[in-house]
Amino acid sequence: KAGVTQTPRYLIKTRGQQVTLSCSPISGHRSVSWYQQTPGQGLQFLFEYFSETQRNKGNFPGRFSGRQFSNSRSEMNVSTLELGDSALYLCASSGLAGGPGEQYFGPGTRLTVT
Amino acid sequence: AQSVTQLDSQVPVFEEAPVELRCNYSSSVSVYLFWYVQYPNQGLQLLLKYLSGSTLVKGINGFEAEFNKSQTSFHLRKPSVHISDTAEYFCAVSDQTGANNLFFGTGTRLTVIP
Repeated sequence: KAGVTQTPRYLIKTRGQQVTLSCSPISGHRSVSWYQQTPGQGLQFLFEYFSETQRNKGNFPGRFSGRQFSNSRSEMNVSTLELGDSALYLCASSGLAGGPGEQYFGPGTRLTVT
Repeated sequence: AQSVTQLDSQVPVFEEAPVELRCNYSSSVSVYLFWYVQYPNQGLQLLLKYLSGSTLVKGINGFEAEFNKSQTSFHLRKPSVHISDTAEYFCAVSDQTGANNLFFGTGTRLTVIP
């Protein structure tokens, strides 16, 4: 079974631009969560989508948004990029068979904002 | 809300020696507990989880953890480490509502010395 895939793996953007990251969950998984990982703040939860609906949201500004498609693939978008948005963005998927809270992580997208 | 404290940011240990990585949590509700490992340039991999039942949980790669409710701790242990265990280890909690938002600790960098 293929794991969680994220594209692109690396991205360089300029302040003020916007960016879209993509995540394909494990086949059959309907929940996709996004996390931001930085050296200063560590791993922080952004949001979770389940069956195309946002089920949970972390404490991030409205510049961070996401969506999920009918095939469970998810995208997250960051508008008006700031230097502080430079981070590793991790996507995780989970299915009912895995048990509560058990998530499978992708390799992440490394975003650098200059 | 929940929070997680990992008391040691770095733990050096000699190969074949035992290791304990400490994790304490705070929550006003019952939680599920997890340990994840992150190898360089990779996403997170689930080591083990505590949902209910026996307080001693065994995971992959010879790791185990013990849930102590009175001390709100979930320390990770391995009786004999290998070079390949060198990685970042994260303790995480989630509430029991079924939501998939994990709260992570700041991580412990385990370095195994030959």
